[in-house]
Amino acid sequence: EAQVTQNPRYLITVTGKKLTVTCSQNMNHEYMSWYRQDPGLGLRQIYYSMNVEVTDKGDVPEGYKVSRKEKRNFPLILESPSPNQTSLYFCASSFDDRNIQYFGAGTRLSVL
Amino acid sequence: SQQGEEDPQALSIQEGENATMNCSYKTSINNLQWYRQNSGRGLVHLILIRSNEREKHSGRLRVTLDTSKKSSSLLITASRAADTASYFCATAPSSGNTPLVFGKGTRLSVIA
Repeated sequence: EAQVTQNPRYLITVTGKKLTVTCSQNMNHEYMSWYRQDPGLGLRQIYYSMNVEVTDKGDVPEGYKVSRKEKRNFPLILESPSPNQTSLYFCASSFDDRNIQYFGAGTRLSVL
Repeated sequence: SQQGEEDPQALSIQEGENATMNCSYKTSINNLQWYRQNSGRGLVHLILIRSNEREKHSGRLRVTLDTSKKSSSLLITASRAADTASYFCATAPSSGNTPLVFGKGTRLSVIA
């Protein structure tokens, strides 16, 4: 089954404790992206990747890192999480940045 | 850099009625896409309409695109309680390096 898998689905952590949210897709997509969703603000892009080893900042990249060492995986790293990073995070993949996006089920993160 | 803006922000209708949501955008586009999101879950793609198309249908969904007015509408006919969700438009700019940009969404409630 074609899918985008995010882990974990729920995470509660404390300020400053490094964490990684994993994202994996099995559709051989070149384009992958991370979004955060907050009430009243809609979906905002954090980082995206056009292909392996190519990553670019989205609208709200501060406090986040990503890597794209292999085509299927695109982890999101929070080196020193802060409470304002409490949000619902989505990973998405697509054949390219103009095409239909396939979304993961989301990761709900709370930073205390 | 949000480009698509949905209207209304929220819509409440009775089961069996039609629901219409609008999306306006600012710059030229390659295509416009509509997505649906059930509460707290990942977005699911509904329809993609290209800039040279004016109307597209999929089941009970009808999407129109007016590039002269830079607007699109999503019509859901004979709505059901299961259509209750948030609906987002996303625009793919025709130039530049900006990837797909999502609006803030319309929250649709269908009352049985």
